[in-house]
Amino acid sequence: DAKTTQPPSMDCAEGRAANLPCNHSTISGNEYVYWYRQIHSQGPQYIIHGLKNNETNEMASLIITEDRKSSTLILPHATLRDTAVYYCIVRVGIGGSNYKLTFGKGTLLTVNP
Amino acid sequence: DARVTQTPRHKVTEMGQEVTMRCQPILGHNTVFWYRQTMMQGLELLAYFRNRAPLDDSGMPKDRFSAEMPDATLATLKIQPSEPRDSAVYFCASGLVVGEGGYTFGSGTRLTVV
Repeated sequence: DAKTTQPPSMDCAEGRAANLPCNHSTISGNEYVYWYRQIHSQGPQYIIHGLKNNETNEMASLIITEDRKSSTLILPHATLRDTAVYYCIVRVGIGGSNYKLTFGKGTLLTVNP
Repeated sequence: DARVTQTPRHKVTEMGQEVTMRCQPILGHNTVFWYRQTMMQGLELLAYFRNRAPLDDSGMPKDRFSAEMPDATLATLKIQPSEPRDSAVYFCASGLVVGEGGYTFGSGTRLTVV
Protein backbone atom coordinates (compact mmCIF):
# COMPACT_ATOMS: atom_id res chain seq x y z
CA ASP A 1 0.00 0.00 0.00
CA ALA A 2 1.15 3.54 -0.78
CA LYS A 3 2.54 5.61 2.06
CA THR A 4 0.77 8.78 3.17
CA THR A 5 2.05 12.01 4.70
CA GLN A 6 -0.09 14.18 6.97
CA PRO A 7 0.68 17.19 9.17
CA PRO A 8 0.92 16.14 12.83
CA SER A 9 -1.57 18.70 14.07
CA MET A 10 -4.03 21.38 12.98
CA ASP A 11 -6.35 23.83 14.67
CA CYS A 12 -9.76 24.98 13.53
CA ALA A 13 -12.34 27.39 14.92
CA GLU A 14 -15.74 25.96 15.76
CA GLY A 15 -18.21 26.50 12.92
CA ARG A 16 -15.50 26.97 10.32
CA ALA A 17 -14.46 24.47 7.67
CA ALA A 18 -11.60 22.14 8.56
CA ASN A 19 -9.41 21.17 5.63
CA LEU A 20 -7.10 18.25 6.33
CA PRO A 21 -4.44 17.54 3.69
CA CYS A 22 -2.83 14.24 2.79
CA ASN A 23 -0.04 13.47 0.38
CA HIS A 24 0.10 10.06 -1.31
CA SER A 25 2.47 10.62 -4.22
CA THR A 26 3.18 6.90 -4.77
CA ILE A 27 -0.47 5.86 -5.03
CA SER A 28 -1.24 3.18 -7.61
CA GLY A 29 -4.08 3.26 -10.08
CA ASN A 30 -6.17 0.71 -8.22
CA GLU A 31 -5.67 2.18 -4.75
CA TYR A 32 -8.40 4.05 -2.92
CA VAL A 33 -7.98 6.87 -0.43
CA TYR A 34 -9.70 6.21 2.90
CA TRP A 35 -10.19 8.53 5.84
CA TYR A 36 -10.81 7.43 9.39
CA ARG A 37 -10.83 9.35 12.63
CA GLN A 38 -10.30 8.39 16.24
CA ILE A 39 -11.88 10.37 19.01
CA HIS A 40 -10.09 10.02 22.33
CA SER A 41 -10.58 6.60 23.96
CA GLN A 42 -12.76 5.31 21.13
CA GLY A 43 -12.16 2.97 18.21
CA PRO A 44 -11.36 4.43 14.80
CA GLN A 45 -14.40 5.53 12.80
CA TYR A 46 -14.72 5.31 9.03
CA ILE A 47 -15.45 8.68 7.41
CA ILE A 48 -15.23 8.48 3.64
CA HIS A 49 -13.28 7.01 0.75
CA GLY A 50 -12.69 7.69 -2.94
CA LEU A 51 -10.79 6.58 -6.01
CA LYS A 52 -10.48 9.64 -8.25
CA ASN A 53 -13.76 11.55 -8.13
CA ASN A 54 -14.64 13.90 -5.34
CA GLU A 55 -16.95 12.34 -2.78
CA THR A 56 -19.38 13.72 -0.22
CA ASN A 57 -21.40 12.13 2.52
CA GLU A 58 -23.15 13.28 5.66
CA MET A 59 -19.88 13.56 7.54
CA ALA A 60 -17.41 15.11 5.13
CA SER A 61 -16.21 15.78 1.60
CA LEU A 62 -13.15 14.28 -0.02
CA ILE A 63 -11.31 16.17 -2.73
CA ILE A 64 -8.73 14.19 -4.71
CA THR A 65 -6.38 16.01 -7.09
CA GLU A 66 -6.45 15.08 -10.74
CA ASP A 67 -3.06 13.34 -10.56
CA ARG A 68 -4.29 11.57 -7.38
CA LYS A 69 -1.08 12.39 -5.54
CA SER A 70 -2.85 14.28 -2.79
CA SER A 71 -6.26 14.71 -1.23
CA THR A 72 -8.10 16.92 1.24
CA LEU A 73 -10.74 15.94 3.74
CA ILE A 74 -13.18 18.75 4.40
CA LEU A 75 -15.38 19.01 7.47
CA PRO A 76 -17.67 21.85 6.36
CA HIS A 77 -18.74 23.13 9.78
CA ALA A 78 -16.43 21.77 12.46
CA THR A 79 -17.79 21.25 15.97
CA LEU A 80 -16.00 20.55 19.23
CA ARG A 81 -16.96 16.88 18.81
CA ASP A 82 -14.84 16.73 15.66
CA THR A 83 -11.68 17.04 17.76
CA ALA A 84 -9.87 13.78 16.95
CA VAL A 85 -6.92 12.18 15.18
CA TYR A 86 -7.65 11.90 11.46
CA TYR A 87 -5.98 9.15 9.45
CA CYS A 88 -5.50 9.13 5.70
CA ILE A 89 -4.94 5.60 4.37
CA VAL A 90 -4.40 4.26 0.90
CA ARG A 91 -5.59 0.75 0.15
CA VAL A 92 -6.44 -1.44 -2.79
CA GLY A 93 -10.20 -1.73 -3.20
CA ILE A 94 -12.27 -4.15 -5.21
CA GLY A 95 -10.26 -6.94 -6.76
CA GLY A 96 -7.32 -6.51 -4.46
CA SER A 97 -6.00 -9.25 -2.23
CA ASN A 98 -4.68 -7.11 0.59
CA TYR A 99 -7.54 -5.94 2.73
CA LYS A 100 -5.67 -4.53 5.66
CA LEU A 101 -5.55 -0.90 6.75
CA THR A 102 -2.13 0.43 7.75
CA PHE A 103 -2.47 3.40 10.07
CA GLY A 104 0.16 6.13 10.25
CA LYS A 105 0.35 8.81 12.90
CA GLY A 106 -2.47 10.90 11.47
CA THR A 107 -3.35 14.54 12.10
CA LEU A 108 -4.62 15.69 15.47
CA LEU A 109 -7.37 18.18 14.69
CA THR A 110 -8.30 20.42 17.57
CA VAL A 111 -11.50 22.40 17.17
CA ASN A 112 -11.47 25.48 19.37
CA PRO A 113 -14.53 27.32 20.70
CA ASP B 1 -26.63 1.19 13.94
CA ALA B 2 -24.91 -2.19 13.81
CA ARG B 3 -21.83 -2.37 15.97
CA VAL B 4 -18.82 -4.52 16.74
CA THR B 5 -18.95 -5.71 20.35
CA GLN B 6 -15.77 -6.34 22.32
CA THR B 7 -15.51 -7.89 25.76
CA PRO B 8 -14.24 -7.20 28.31
CA ARG B 9 -13.87 -3.41 28.06
CA HIS B 10 -11.16 -3.40 30.69
CA LYS B 11 -8.89 -6.15 31.98
CA VAL B 12 -6.20 -6.02 34.64
CA THR B 13 -4.17 -9.17 35.05
CA GLU B 14 -0.93 -10.34 36.55
CA MET B 15 2.09 -11.18 34.45
CA GLY B 16 2.04 -14.80 33.37
CA GLN B 17 -1.73 -15.15 33.33
CA GLU B 18 -3.75 -16.07 30.25
CA VAL B 19 -5.89 -13.32 28.75
CA THR B 20 -8.75 -13.88 26.32
CA MET B 21 -10.39 -11.01 24.47
CA ARG B 22 -13.60 -11.53 22.49
CA CYS B 23 -15.14 -9.82 19.53
CA GLN B 24 -18.56 -10.14 17.97
CA PRO B 25 -18.37 -8.79 14.42
CA ILE B 26 -21.32 -7.24 12.64
CA LEU B 27 -23.66 -9.91 11.30
CA GLY B 28 -22.85 -10.62 7.66
CA HIS B 29 -19.37 -9.13 7.73
CA ASN B 30 -16.83 -11.64 6.43
CA THR B 31 -13.56 -9.93 7.37
CA VAL B 32 -12.33 -9.44 10.93
CA PHE B 33 -9.23 -7.58 12.09
CA TRP B 34 -7.35 -7.36 15.38
CA TYR B 35 -5.36 -4.18 16.08
CA ARG B 36 -3.30 -3.11 19.07
CA GLN B 37 -2.75 0.52 20.06
CA THR B 38 -0.07 1.94 22.31
CA MET B 39 1.23 5.47 22.70
CA MET B 40 4.61 4.49 21.34
CA GLN B 41 3.61 2.34 18.35
CA GLY B 42 0.19 3.69 17.45
CA LEU B 43 -2.28 1.34 15.76
CA GLU B 44 -0.67 -1.95 14.72
CA LEU B 45 -2.37 -4.73 12.81
CA LEU B 46 -1.99 -8.06 14.59
CA ALA B 47 -4.06 -10.40 12.44
CA TYR B 48 -7.02 -10.61 10.14
CA PHE B 49 -9.48 -13.21 8.92
CA ARG B 50 -11.63 -13.59 5.86
CA ASN B 51 -14.54 -16.01 5.99
CA ARG B 52 -13.09 -17.23 9.32
CA ALA B 53 -9.78 -18.25 7.73
CA PRO B 54 -6.63 -16.45 8.89
CA LEU B 55 -5.16 -14.38 6.06
CA ASP B 56 -2.33 -12.62 7.79
CA ASP B 57 -1.03 -12.87 11.35
CA SER B 58 2.46 -11.59 10.70
CA GLY B 59 1.99 -8.75 13.15
CA MET B 60 1.38 -11.07 16.05
CA PRO B 61 4.06 -12.45 18.40
CA LYS B 62 3.59 -16.12 17.60
CA ASP B 63 5.00 -17.52 20.79
CA ARG B 64 2.37 -16.00 23.04
CA PHE B 65 -0.49 -14.68 20.92
CA SER B 66 -3.15 -16.65 19.10
CA ALA B 67 -6.22 -15.53 17.18
CA GLU B 68 -9.16 -17.68 16.14
CA MET B 69 -12.68 -17.50 14.80
CA PRO B 70 -14.60 -20.46 16.23
CA ASP B 71 -17.64 -19.34 14.29
CA ALA B 72 -18.84 -16.40 12.23
CA THR B 73 -20.15 -14.56 15.29
CA LEU B 74 -17.06 -14.78 17.49
CA ALA B 75 -13.39 -13.88 17.15
CA THR B 76 -10.94 -14.40 19.99
CA LEU B 77 -7.47 -13.10 20.77
CA LYS B 78 -5.51 -14.93 23.44
CA ILE B 79 -2.27 -14.04 25.16
CA GLN B 80 -0.51 -16.76 27.13
CA PRO B 81 1.53 -15.96 29.11
CA SER B 82 0.86 -12.24 29.35
CA GLU B 83 3.67 -9.73 29.92
CA PRO B 84 3.67 -6.07 31.01
CA ARG B 85 4.66 -5.02 27.47
CA ASP B 86 1.33 -6.41 26.25
CA SER B 87 -0.48 -3.58 28.04
CA ALA B 88 -2.39 -1.75 25.32
CA VAL B 89 -5.84 -1.19 23.87
CA TYR B 90 -6.88 -4.01 21.57
CA PHE B 91 -9.40 -3.21 18.84
CA CYS B 92 -11.44 -5.55 16.72
CA ALA B 93 -12.90 -4.41 13.40
CA SER B 94 -15.15 -6.05 10.85
CA GLY B 95 -16.10 -5.33 7.28
CA LEU B 96 -17.28 -6.57 3.93
CA VAL B 97 -14.35 -6.52 1.55
CA VAL B 98 -16.29 -7.56 -1.52
CA GLY B 99 -17.23 -3.92 -1.73
CA GLU B 100 -15.20 -0.82 -1.10
CA GLY B 101 -16.72 0.22 2.16
CA GLY B 102 -15.02 1.07 5.38
CA TYR B 103 -14.54 -1.15 8.37
CA THR B 104 -16.36 -0.81 11.68
CA PHE B 105 -14.27 -0.84 14.83
CA GLY B 106 -15.30 -1.91 18.29
CA SER B 107 -14.73 0.15 21.43
CA GLY B 108 -11.67 -1.84 22.36
CA THR B 109 -10.37 -3.83 25.32
CA ARG B 110 -7.97 -1.94 27.55
CA LEU B 111 -5.48 -4.49 28.89
CA THR B 112 -3.17 -3.79 31.79
CA VAL B 113 -0.63 -6.44 32.74
CA VAL B 114 1.02 -5.83 36.11
